[in-house]
This record gives sequence, structure tokens and C-alpha cells, in this order.
Amino acid sequence: EADIYQTPRYLVIGTGKKITLECSQTMGHDKMYWYQQDPGMELHLIHYSYGVNSTEKGDLSSESTVSRIRTEHFPLTLESARPSHTSQYLCASSAAGENYGYTFGSGTRLTVV
Amino acid sequence: KQEVTQIPAALSVPEGENLVLNCSFTDSAIYNLQWFRQDPGKGLTSLLLIQSSQREQTSGRLNASLDKSSGRSTLYIAASQPGDSATYLCAVFTGKLIFGQGTTLQVKP
Repeated sequence: EADIYQTPRYLVIGTGKKITLECSQTMGHDKMYWYQQDPGMELHLIHYSYGVNSTEKGDLSSESTVSRIRTEHFPLTLESARPSHTSQYLCASSAAGENYGYTFGSGTRLTVV
Repeated sequence: KQEVTQIPAALSVPEGENLVLNCSFTDSAIYNLQWFRQDPGKGLTSLLLIQSSQREQTSGRLNASLDKSSGRSTLYIAASQPGDSATYLCAVFTGKLIFGQGTTLQVKP
């Protein structure tokens, strides 16, 4: 079944650790996105990609980095996690063009202690 | 600058009621509008996608309308159920997706 998958679903990690949040989609979408959302708050776009080897920063500044080596895979990395990185991270994808909607993953809830 | 507003911010209704959620946007130059549902601590589930050339879309008990010229969309939920309790987000696509703040719905048994 075509879908978008995020792992892990929950992650509790110590300060200073390096983490990678995984996002994969099986829909062949060219465009992929990472959003950050604090509880009860709005979504903020932090990274996006329009294709392989193309990545851009979003509206909200983030210390995380992303890569897009394969169409289906768009991982997000934090080199040194801090408590301020505690949040929910949502991955999404969409087909190229103006007539397509976004599909979101289930999210990764990150807690840095 | 495109701004998306959702009213009301929160809504509590008894089970079985029909209800309407409102979304307004300031710039009519949109490609499409999408309604999402978000359960607490979860991701977003797409409910309906309306293209700029369309007036409405229906899926089961849900009906979404779009009046692009007036910058308005409504999400109509028929015969509400406790399982409909969630936050409903409206988003317009202008080349990027711009979200409203959401309406948190509680349906009481």
C-alpha cells in the first residue's frame, strides 16, 4: 500500500547525542517536507526537497540537516541533540505540480533529556 | 502575505449534531485547499482536497466547500460522533502549504 512512514514513533535521548529521524514514502513523490510542531501549536516548515540531491531550508530556522539521496527517503539529522529540540517532527510528501495534496506521516515525538 | 484563519478555535457539541467548521484566507490566488484531521500527538490525516476550480468535495459524512473569490471554505460534518473528536486543520496551497491554526472539536456522547 502506498504510504509515508516515519520511524521511530517515539524517541527519548540524552543531550549531546546524534539522532536521525527516518522518513520514507512509497508513492514516488518528488517533493518531501519536514515540519516541526510543539504540542497544541502550529506546524512550522523546517526543510523541503523537490527531488534527489535538492534540499532547502524552510520558514523556521532549525539546527537539523536533511539529505535526499533517493527519491523515497528523506532523513533528518540532529548532530547534537539539546532539550530545545524536544518537539514533534512530521514528514510529508506530494507529487510535483499544483493539483496534488500533501500526505503526512504519523510523526516522531522527540524528547531530549 | 497569505493568512489562513479558522473559526471557531474550539467547539464542543453533543453526539449526532451536524456542524460547520470555517476557514478563511486573505489571498484568493490559491491552487487548492486541503482539510486535515489531527488526533493528539499524531500526524495529519488528509480528509478532502478541493482544487481551485472546484466548489465542493464530499467523502462520507464530510463535505467541504470552497468559495475562492470570497476567500472562504467550510467543512460540514454530518451526524457527528465521539470518534470525530480531533483538531481540524485547513491549509491552502500557493506553491507552499499554509496552515490555519485549527479548530479543536469535541463530540460528547
